[in-house]
Amino acid sequence: GDSVTQMEGPVTLSEEAFLTINCTYTATGYPSLFWYVQYPGEGLQLLLKATKADDKGSNKGFEATYRKETTSFHLEKGSVQVSDSAVYFCALSDTGNQFYFGTGTSLTVIP
Amino acid sequence: DTGVSQNPRHKITKRGQNVTFRCDPISEHNRLYWYRQTLGQGPEFLTYFQNEAQLEKSRLLSDRFSAERPKGSFSTLEIQRTEQGDSAMYLCASSPWTGVNEQYFGPGTRLTVT
Repeated sequence: GDSVTQMEGPVTLSEEAFLTINCTYTATGYPSLFWYVQYPGEGLQLLLKATKADDKGSNKGFEATYRKETTSFHLEKGSVQVSDSAVYFCALSDTGNQFYFGTGTSLTVIP
Repeated sequence: DTGVSQNPRHKITKRGQNVTFRCDPISEHNRLYWYRQTLGQGPEFLTYFQNEAQLEKSRLLSDRFSAERPKGSFSTLEIQRTEQGDSAMYLCASSPWTGVNEQYFGPGTRLTVT
């Protein structure tokens, strides 16, 4: 069945460091891919998405490219800020009827 | 519209009791999802509604769990004969019907079974 494997955390970075959070997926079809973020004390919210191969999703300085050949959707940011401290979830959905989430990666950015 | 709302936000119950949670989605959203999230894990899909029809249900979902969306608006999730293993955050999400679209999550209901 469909699934998402996400880089385990926690990840601790200094402000302005480069961030990569790895995400790979298994799917029988051609899913849409998502990154969600959960800030402390808040609900999950969409960070970015990509709906087909080679699409790049971007938002708030974060980017992820849908790589069909490597079945990956790694999240990157060139310069993290303290306010980026949160838990990040990779997710996929093939039909929109069911979504599969990774286990989440906790990011802490220190000044 | 203020987004997806869930009530109650917290529920403490004794093992064996029944509990019911409510989710009010964003008003124009046709799709509604229920998830369970435990500490250190991602949301685990429970069930999905398209308007009032329940179209998907996790194979792992116990028969003690049931969900309804009677008029295609709000939804309820009931857990009968609760067990300690049911302790988790229960999340509701909604999305519009435009193919595979992003979901908008509610704040969740935290259930503690003692």
